[in-house]
Amino acid sequence: SQQGEEDPQALSIQEGENATMNCSYKTSINNLQWYRQNSGRGLVHLILIRSNEREKHSGRLRVTLDTSKKSSSLLITASRAADTASYFCATDRNTDKLIFGTGTRLQVFP
Amino acid sequence: DTEVTQTPKHLVMGMTNKKSLKCEQHMGHRAMYWYKQKAKKPPELMFVYSYEKLSINESVPSRFSPECPNSSLLNLHLHALQPEDSALYLCASSQDQGTGIRAEQFFGPGTRLTVL
Repeated sequence: SQQGEEDPQALSIQEGENATMNCSYKTSINNLQWYRQNSGRGLVHLILIRSNEREKHSGRLRVTLDTSKKSSSLLITASRAADTASYFCATDRNTDKLIFGTGTRLQVFP
Repeated sequence: DTEVTQTPKHLVMGMTNKKSLKCEQHMGHRAMYWYKQKAKKPPELMFVYSYEKLSINESVPSRFSPECPNSSLLNLHLHALQPEDSALYLCASSQDQGTGIRAEQFFGPGTRLTVL
């Protein structure tokens, strides 16, 4: 399977804490994206990082990419209860096909 | 308008029924996608349309038949489905930014399909 792996599978934290999720993939990529999905709903794009970039920030989100290790991490700082969702990484190889990772379910307790 | 809409939100059908899922976007995106997602799993790509032409079919059974009548609409026709086809079906669209540059995908809220 080409599917990426994410860890942890599930993460529970208190509001105000930081949440870190990791994504590993198997083949060379063009871009890596992170998406968020609230229970049973559509996915929302969070951030895209290109293969020649190493770090990117967007608000409380920080994404790193290490192409030598074929891995990426998503850090959510100062988490809120509203951040409770599943988070997926997704990679592409310069085609229209996105390959999603297995996902991390984040629970933030108030 | 930065929204992808999908109808219906929920669908229950028998194995002999014929039904269709609809997806619409008015963002001028020229790539549209169908995904299938089972509970607690990531979305799995089914079909990609690029400029109204089918560009990717991920070996999906013929009981699923996609159609792209125009640049804003995408349909998924369903016939003789099996109970294991029950899932959340997601539509997405993205902008063509030129060679080698892929854009984010905008997802609809999905259709929750139950096959009895």
